[in-house]
Amino acid sequence: DVKVTQSSRYLVKRTGEKVFLECVQDMDHENMFWYRQDPGLGLRLIYFSYDVKMKEKGDIPEGYSVSREKKERFSLILESASTNQTSMYLCASRGQDRNTQYFGPGTRLTVL
Amino acid sequence: GDSVTQMEGPVTLSEEAFLTINCTYTATGYPSLFWYVQYPGEGLQLLLKATKADDKGSNKGFEATYRKETTSFHLEKGSVQVSDSAVYFCALSDFSNTGKLIFGQGTTLQVKP
Repeated sequence: DVKVTQSSRYLVKRTGEKVFLECVQDMDHENMFWYRQDPGLGLRLIYFSYDVKMKEKGDIPEGYSVSREKKERFSLILESASTNQTSMYLCASRGQDRNTQYFGPGTRLTVL
Repeated sequence: GDSVTQMEGPVTLSEEAFLTINCTYTATGYPSLFWYVQYPGEGLQLLLKATKADDKGSNKGFEATYRKETTSFHLEKGSVQVSDSAVYFCALSDFSNTGKLIFGQGTTLQVKP
């Protein structure tokens, strides 16, 4: 079974803090994604990585950056957290089958 | 750009009732279509998919047919159970290099005993 794990299920941070969300997959997938989930908006793509050190902006990259130093790990970074970044963050990975993405359990981030 | 529209929720049904959750899409070309399910406190799981027109995806008693003529991919189940209570997302996979998923807003289903 493909496993995608995220470092925290719940996280509470203060405005202005630097926040790291970690995602690890164990299937040697090349493609990894970070989505943000908000009520009434579904999921929106923040960033996408198609290989180590390779990344592309998604639909809502403002206020976020990413890091992919190793194939199995994809990190989402909030340089200076703001209250409007309070949300559920979901990581996903995809292998050769373009039609199947595997999701992690999500990190619910609250920024106070 | 490409988009997905789902029926508004929440949907509340009694156990053994028939379920339909409507989903329509706008896309260039013929994307692959998906239904994902999110159970309380969990991430998304792929429920079913269809990759070309007239394909029917099915899993766990759920079905959806890719209808090109109506640009729809409605989710159906003949008899829902309490354990089906979850949020359901319709999505399409675009043709860009990313191949990202574009999601609808999600429909919450609550099944009462």
